Amino acid sequence: ETGVTQTPRHLVMGMTNKKSLKCEQHLGHNAMYWYKQSAKKPLELMFVYSLEERVENNSVPSRFSPECPNSSHLFLHLHTLQPEDSALYLCASSRGKTGQGSPLHFGNGTRLTVT
Amino acid sequence: QKEVEQNSGPLSVPEGAIASLNCTYSDRGSQSFFWYRQYSGKSPELIMFIYSNGDKEDGRFTAQLNKASQYVSLLIRDSQPSDSATYLCAVTTERGAGKSTFGDGTTLTVKP
Repeated sequence: ETGVTQTPRHLVMGMTNKKSLKCEQHLGHNAMYWYKQSAKKPLELMFVYSLEERVENNSVPSRFSPECPNSSHLFLHLHTLQPEDSALYLCASSRGKTGQGSPLHFGNGTRLTVT
Repeated sequence: QKEVEQNSGPLSVPEGAIASLNCTYSDRGSQSFFWYRQYSGKSPELIMFIYSNGDKEDGRFTAQLNKASQYVSLLIRDSQPSDSATYLCAVTTERGAGKSTFGDGTTLTVKP
């Protein structure tokens, strides 16, 4: 398998559920990211994990919890979400901030619906 | 003021025409600029990146950067119906794309 793989593709969960999104990259990159894409809003960076740093967007609620066990895997743990958290969650990887012009490679995303 | 602003869409052009997509940014420390294309229901994919003032051409696509005016654009020559998508401008203060700030996107429709 090549590229960035996300599972599941679709997820419907109640506000009291706990679920996790999984991302795996096969590109040999050293940085991984979670982005949120909501309707009518620009892509929003949630978390960054790389060899150089871990960055969290302080505006992301604590009901979203990232985990990065190694450079190829990234998880987003979800608990007690709200309906407004319904969105497309995109995982991405790159060669990191020092690679000139190194773009983001996105996975296919997880479409999350919170009921 | 938004950090990254793109021309409001939707933009509609006839097949074979030139489509012009514009983007302005507020952070003068921005170093790298990316254009991504996102088809409906799909994830964004890189079209081009640019980091030096001037033009950069790749096939039918030309990216233009003017750091003094804080402006980056994407021109698509000989537009095809398959170019119909949302185009996202992304800006970062780093050399690589990681912590990019995205614009809202411009939806382009190329009519046969």
